Amino acid sequence: DIQMTQSPSTLSASVGDRVTISCRASQSISGYLAWYQQKPGKAPTLLIYDASTLQSGVPSRFSGSGSGTEFTLTINSLQPDDVATYSCQHYSSYPWTFGQGTKVEIK
Amino acid sequence: QVQLVESGGGVVRPGSSLRLSCAASGFNFNTYSMHWVRQAPGKGLQWVAIVGYDGGDRYYASSVKGRFTISRDNSKNTLYLQMDSLRAEDAAVYYCSRDRGDWGGLDYWGLGTLVTVSS
Repeated sequence: DIQMTQSPSTLSASVGDRVTISCRASQSISGYLAWYQQKPGKAPTLLIYDASTLQSGVPSRFSGSGSGTEFTLTINSLQPDDVATYSCQHYSSYPWTFGQGTKVEIK
Repeated sequence: QVQLVESGGGVVRPGSSLRLSCAASGFNFNTYSMHWVRQAPGKGLQWVAIVGYDGGDRYYASSVKGRFTISRDNSKNTLYLQMDSLRAEDAAVYYCSRDRGDWGGLDYWGLGTLVTVSS
């Protein structure tokens, strides 16, 4: 199985900061990567697919980049509504796997 | 609007079975692959299984292969997960989710149903 490793596990930043979350795959997954946001007590929502394509309705302050084994989710100008756990997930081959999640808090 | 509503969760003993259901509405169910994803309390997301739009292709996470069976009834717009030989580590909220199509990403999720495995 392909392992997905995220860093950091927890991140604390101020409103307006630029935030970056990393996701590393244990082998190349090309660009077959999605990012999800999960607010406490809620189901996840799709933010980005194909590593960098923004899902419809997602604010433009979210962006994704990377290919192969290294990927990044960036939140430009962190907002209070962005407090959540962010998870990457590959769909290069079955079984799909998720990263362990990165919790984003407001400082 | 797209709606996915899971049901069938509960408290079961180790070694027992349980069947989860997911009622879909608001889209052409028979044209989308569907997934189950779970989340143990306080833990991250774990992909469980996928079934193709016509029920033909099915794939599973290594941890559930041989114990869980994903299926669908397109005449009822319903997705299922038959879980046998349940273990304590299967305890989680189980989410039904829709495949975005064009290979990859889960664009709609249900609210989840809680499965507790305890003796």
